[in-house]
Amino acid sequence: GIQVEQSPPDLILQEGANSTLRCNFSDSVNNLQWFHQNPWGQLINLFYIPSGTKQNGRLSATTVATERYSLLYISSSQTTDSGVYFCAGRNTGGFKTIFGAGTRLFVKA
Amino acid sequence: DSGVTQTPKHLITATGQRVTLRCSPRSGDLSVYWYQQSLDQGLQFLIQYYNGEERAKGNILERFSAQQFPDLHSELNLSSLELGDSALYFCASSVSGQSTDTQYFGPGTRLTVL
Repeated sequence: GIQVEQSPPDLILQEGANSTLRCNFSDSVNNLQWFHQNPWGQLINLFYIPSGTKQNGRLSATTVATERYSLLYISSSQTTDSGVYFCAGRNTGGFKTIFGAGTRLFVKA
Repeated sequence: DSGVTQTPKHLITATGQRVTLRCSPRSGDLSVYWYQQSLDQGLQFLIQYYNGEERAKGNILERFSAQQFPDLHSELNLSSLELGDSALYFCASSVSGQSTDTQYFGPGTRLTVL
């Protein structure tokens, strides 16, 4: 099955700073999602982005499927952005969703 | 709110016991997925159902079983519980269960085995 690697594992930001989170996958995926797990444990969909670029407010994501990576950009970070960010994908024709280990983000006020 | 509901939110039980976790998918979704999130294993896919039929199996233990009912809700049964089964269990749903579907996650059930 595919392997999903996320970097960095941990990130501490000052409120207002920008950041880029990276997700590398070992094989072609046709289903790539980014999630935010808030401090209460809830998993929130951020983007479904098998390829291309999408933006939603201060967040944007880009997936370059041919090079097997995806990036999540957080601009003007806020304390409410704290939590763990996961990317997850399925390889073509597969049914198992594989999650990366996550990037733990802490935004300081 | 994703539209996926899970009950109970918290469950505390003892080793050797059996519990049932319940999930109701979003309206219109036919596929349900179960995941386990533990500190040492991260988020792991357990099993997927589509319209009542098992579609895919992941790292699900033999002590665990699941089913999807005609009204599309799903239950995950965990038996002979061990301390290591303590985890957050998520249910997700999607429209058709295809690999291109977006999955929407419920709030999770936190299981503590003492």
